[in-house]
Amino acid sequence: NAGVTQNPKFQVLKTGQSMTLQCAQDMNHNSMYWYRQDPGMGLRLIYYSASEGTTDKGEVPNGYNVSRLNKREFSLRLESAAPSQTSVYFCASRRGGQGTGELFFGEGSRLTVL
Amino acid sequence: AQSVTQLGSHVSVSEGALVLLRCNYSSSVPPYLFWYVQYPNQGLQLLLKYTSAATLVKGINGFEAEFKKSETSFHLTKPSAHMSDAAEYFCAVSERKTSYDKVIFGPGTSLSVIP
Repeated sequence: NAGVTQNPKFQVLKTGQSMTLQCAQDMNHNSMYWYRQDPGMGLRLIYYSASEGTTDKGEVPNGYNVSRLNKREFSLRLESAAPSQTSVYFCASRRGGQGTGELFFGEGSRLTVL
Repeated sequence: AQSVTQLGSHVSVSEGALVLLRCNYSSSVPPYLFWYVQYPNQGLQLLLKYTSAATLVKGINGFEAEFKKSETSFHLTKPSAHMSDAAEYFCAVSERKTSYDKVIFGPGTSLSVIP
């Protein structure tokens, strides 16, 4: 089992460019998440999707859009990248439904915006 | 809105000493609580979780945590630190009622173990 797979692992962008981070899980989980990790800030929730067809804003949604393409895939899009979006991005999934499930994380995507 | 605080962004302990990492939550209804660990250049993995079955929760690698409603706390402990415990530790919460799928993390505590 691959678990949670993120692509790309590394990306360098120029300010104003756009890109999409891809995430897929093969555990038949209902809930999927995008976090960003910055030094001293921990993981901050960008968007999450409690089930296929639904998405909700997290703590820091500005500058991002998401698409829950199907049950397996949850993508994160930066329409016009800014240096403040330089970060490590983690996708996660869990069974969902009652709030007690463990999150399973991808390996992370390191994004640098120049 | 729920939030999570972790007192001490960096904690250093000697090998064999007690490890105590603090976590407090702010929620009118006690949430579900989790501790995750992140080793260098890796993703996060679950150490333990509290889902109201028992207030003292045991996890992997000898860690345990105690839920105290009166103190709104869920502190993580380990009796004897090992060099391999050096990592970043995150406390996380998810609500019991609406938005229970929303999972919020604290800022993390970096644990160093001194030989």
